[in-house]
Amino acid sequence: GNSVTQMEGPVTLSEEAFLTINCTYTATGYPSLFWYVQYPGEGLQLLLKATKADDKGSNKGFEATYRKETTSFHLEKGSVQVSDSAVYFCALSGSARQLTFGSGTQLTVLP
Amino acid sequence: NAGVTQTPKFRILKIGQSMTLQCAQDMNHNYMYWYRQDPGMGLKLIYYSVGAGITDKGEVPNGYNVSRSTTEDFPLRLELAAPSQTSVYFCASSYSTGGSRSSTDTQYFGPGTRLTVL
Repeated sequence: GNSVTQMEGPVTLSEEAFLTINCTYTATGYPSLFWYVQYPGEGLQLLLKATKADDKGSNKGFEATYRKETTSFHLEKGSVQVSDSAVYFCALSGSARQLTFGSGTQLTVLP
Repeated sequence: NAGVTQTPKFRILKIGQSMTLQCAQDMNHNYMYWYRQDPGMGLKLIYYSVGAGITDKGEVPNGYNVSRSTTEDFPLRLELAAPSQTSVYFCASSYSTGGSRSSTDTQYFGPGTRLTVL
């Protein structure tokens, strides 16, 4: 079956540091890949997505590239802000439009 | 647009009690989903619906029931609450025109219901 393995947290960074959160996946066929973000006390919201190999998703300074050869979709941001503190989930969409989520990575950015 | 709304926000149940978690969306989405999120874990799909009158099981359906009589509403029913059902429950919706097996659709999530079973 489908699965998503995410870098374990928590991750603590200083403001303006570089962020990488690793995500690898196992899936049959050609899944779409997503990063969702969950701010404290809120539901998940889409951060970015990529629907085919070599696609790059980007939003709010975050980027991730769909790498089929390494089955990866790592999240990066060049300079994090305190407001980026949240839990980040990598996910893939397989059959029947069901999302399979990773376990989430808690990010804390210190001023 | 209110998006996806869920009620209640918090609830404490005793073992064996029943309750219904409400979910509504005003985006005219055809797909709706129920997930549970356990501490330190990703979300797991409980049930989903592809349209009014059509529901199907997800990864962890045992102990739950759903119905979808309208496009807008997708309630989740717990019949005999157990401590293992202590979790945060999220409802989500998306719009799909069908087609490929792998979906590119964005799911929109509600704020969640925190349920404790004692």
